[in-house]
Amino acid sequence: SQQGEEDPQALSIQEGENATMNCSYKTSINNLQWYRQNSGRGLVHLILIRSNEREKHSGRLRVTLDTSKKSSSLLITASRAADTASYFCATDAVDSGAGSYQLTFGKGTKLSVIP
Amino acid sequence: EAGVVQSPRYKIIEKKQPVAFWCNPISGHNTLYWYRQNLGQGPELLIRYENEEAVDDSQLPKDRFSAERLKGVDSTLKIQPAELGDSAVYLCASSFVGLAKQYFGPGTRLTVT
Repeated sequence: SQQGEEDPQALSIQEGENATMNCSYKTSINNLQWYRQNSGRGLVHLILIRSNEREKHSGRLRVTLDTSKKSSSLLITASRAADTASYFCATDAVDSGAGSYQLTFGKGTKLSVIP
Repeated sequence: EAGVVQSPRYKIIEKKQPVAFWCNPISGHNTLYWYRQNLGQGPELLIRYENEEAVDDSQLPKDRFSAERLKGVDSTLKIQPAELGDSAVYLCASSFVGLAKQYFGPGTRLTVT
């Protein structure tokens, strides 16, 4: 089952514009991560934000987390054609007594950046 | 650093045939995950390993799917017999124990005809 729901499902912007994607989830989490997937490829980790953090930056990426609303947003500034990909949020809860994480992914936002 | 290796990259089989996927995680990663990704969807966990122990296989359809991770390194996921609905991309991921960030392989795209 999918825990997260990204919004919008698809987004098309011009190169240089900012892209904002949203993610909503249903249950309490420990961490929320964003991954990127280029067509026909595996997922690449972008950024992780912990449940006690509200905002995090990494290069052109800015992630916010609102645990009261169970939502997160990913902002990509000054987008490039190479940012064209699908973006997924993933939430996790640590298994008690174990060291691995069960990630639950949303359906993703398909971003197209037009040169 | 070598990434997660999966093979084959593509596989086309007829329904009722068996198929196997292989994954070699990043060196030193104790945890290994198999996901299935249907078209237009996010990945869904099938099975999660810590070393050679399957700690969560609740989403693995055990009537036809099996997995193993002998010696706690590489892993094999098998489907026997395959059904049309098994057509998907099968992704393998690995991580260091205790860390949430996962590293994904390129996936195996399975088409069942």
